[in-house]
Amino acid sequence: GESVGLHLPTLSVQEGDNSIINCAYSNSASDYFIWYKQESGKGPQFIIDIRSNMDKRQGQRVTVLLNKTVKHLSLQIAATQPGDSAVYFCAEKKAGTALIFGKGTTLSVSS
Amino acid sequence: KAGVTQTPRYLIKTRGQQVTLSCSPISGHRSVSWYQQTPGQGLQFLFEYFSETQRNKGNFPGRFSGRQFSNSRSEMNVSTLELGDSALYLCASSRQQGAQVGYTFGSGTRLTVV
Repeated sequence: GESVGLHLPTLSVQEGDNSIINCAYSNSASDYFIWYKQESGKGPQFIIDIRSNMDKRQGQRVTVLLNKTVKHLSLQIAATQPGDSAVYFCAEKKAGTALIFGKGTTLSVSS
Repeated sequence: KAGVTQTPRYLIKTRGQQVTLSCSPISGHRSVSWYQQTPGQGLQFLFEYFSETQRNKGNFPGRFSGRQFSNSRSEMNVSTLELGDSALYLCASSRQQGAQVGYTFGSGTRLTVV
């Protein structure tokens, strides 16, 4: 079936560095993408989303980039902090269907 | 405002038993989706309900079922539990079904089957 995958299962960075988490999606018909953050013992928390008619969207310390040509999504976190340590999931959706998740990247931030 | 509420938070059941999990969405949200999360398979979609009707269904056996009530609260049921059903079951709500809107997740129900 169709699914969204992430390139790396783990990513370790130093506090203050910029982090980039990547995701490859397979369904070219998907028109909506979301990044979620999941901390231990909690459900996924919405970070930022982007629609397929956009290439880039910025939030507070986070930026999502969408490259439809190669079906690639990335999440950039500026000045990574220890509180950013969590599992990050990308998810894709097309109209009328369910939100489908990738397997997640564990981000570890050391101070 | 209150978030998505899932009960119970933890549950231990024996193989062969059945279990019912509950989800109360954010007030005003009419769509409820259920996901199973395991270390090996990640987040897998179970089903989505909107206005008391199942709108989408994932690739799970018929032992997994759900329903939604007129107040948008939802329940999922797993019959004849197997060890492999041990997982974190997450519920998410959104205002509409199928739209480009974010889903808000609850903290989940941790089910352990022994």
